[in-house]
Amino acid sequence: AQSVTQPDIHITVSEGASLELRCNYSYGATPYLFWYVQSPGQGLQLLLKYFSGDTLVQGIKGFEAEFKRSQSSFNLRKPSVHWSDAAEYFCAVGAGNQFYFGTGTSLTVIP
Amino acid sequence: EAGVTQFPSHSVIEKGQTVTLRCDPISGHDNLYWYRRVMGKEIKFLLHFVKESKQDESGMPNNRFLAERTGGTYSTLKVQPAELEDSGVYFCASSQAWGSATDTQYFGPGTRLTVL
Repeated sequence: AQSVTQPDIHITVSEGASLELRCNYSYGATPYLFWYVQSPGQGLQLLLKYFSGDTLVQGIKGFEAEFKRSQSSFNLRKPSVHWSDAAEYFCAVGAGNQFYFGTGTSLTVIP
Repeated sequence: EAGVTQFPSHSVIEKGQTVTLRCDPISGHDNLYWYRRVMGKEIKFLLHFVKESKQDESGMPNNRFLAERTGGTYSTLKVQPAELEDSGVYFCASSQAWGSATDTQYFGPGTRLTVL
C-alpha cells in the first residue's frame, strides 16, 4: 500500500539557516512525488514535483528536493530560510488518480 | 486566473445537523477532488469527479457523506447527519489533464468543520 512518512511534526529554524524536511514514501511502482506548502489561510501551493529524470528538482521560492530511490526518500531543502517560509509542508505521492499525503511538517522561523 | 475556492471557510455545527460544503474548481478543470484532514493526521483522499461523474469514491468514509457535481462545474459535499469524528479540514482540488498521478492538483484553502 502507498504511504508517506514525514517524521518531523514540527521544526524550528533561525532565519538565514539552512533547512531540510524529510519525506519517506512507500510505493511499489515509479513514484510521482510532490511537495506542497500551506501558509495560514491559504490553499496548498505546489512547491515542486518529481516524475523522472534528474533526481534533484528545483522548485519555487528557492526550494529543491532530491529523490533517492535507494532510500525511498524525497527530502526538501532550502539553503537559507526566510521568515515568510513559516508554514506547513506536505509531501505527497501520486498513485492512480489520487495523492497520498504525509502528516505534514510545521515550520517555525525565528529571527 | 482565479484559484480553487471553497465555502464556507469555517463551519461549526452540532452533532446530528447537516452541513454542505462547496467547492468551485479552476475554470476548465474537468477533474475535481475532495480530501479531508483530521487533526494531526494526514490529508486523505475522499473522492474524484471527472466532469459530473464520480470516477472514484473509495475514500468516502460512509453513507452520511454525499458529493455532487451538477453540470460538471462546482461541487458540494454534504454531511448528514454530522458526527463528532467528521470534524476536520476538507480540501478541494482540481486538475486539468487526465486525472492521473502525474497531474498537478491545485488546492483550495479548505473548509474547517467543527462538530460539537
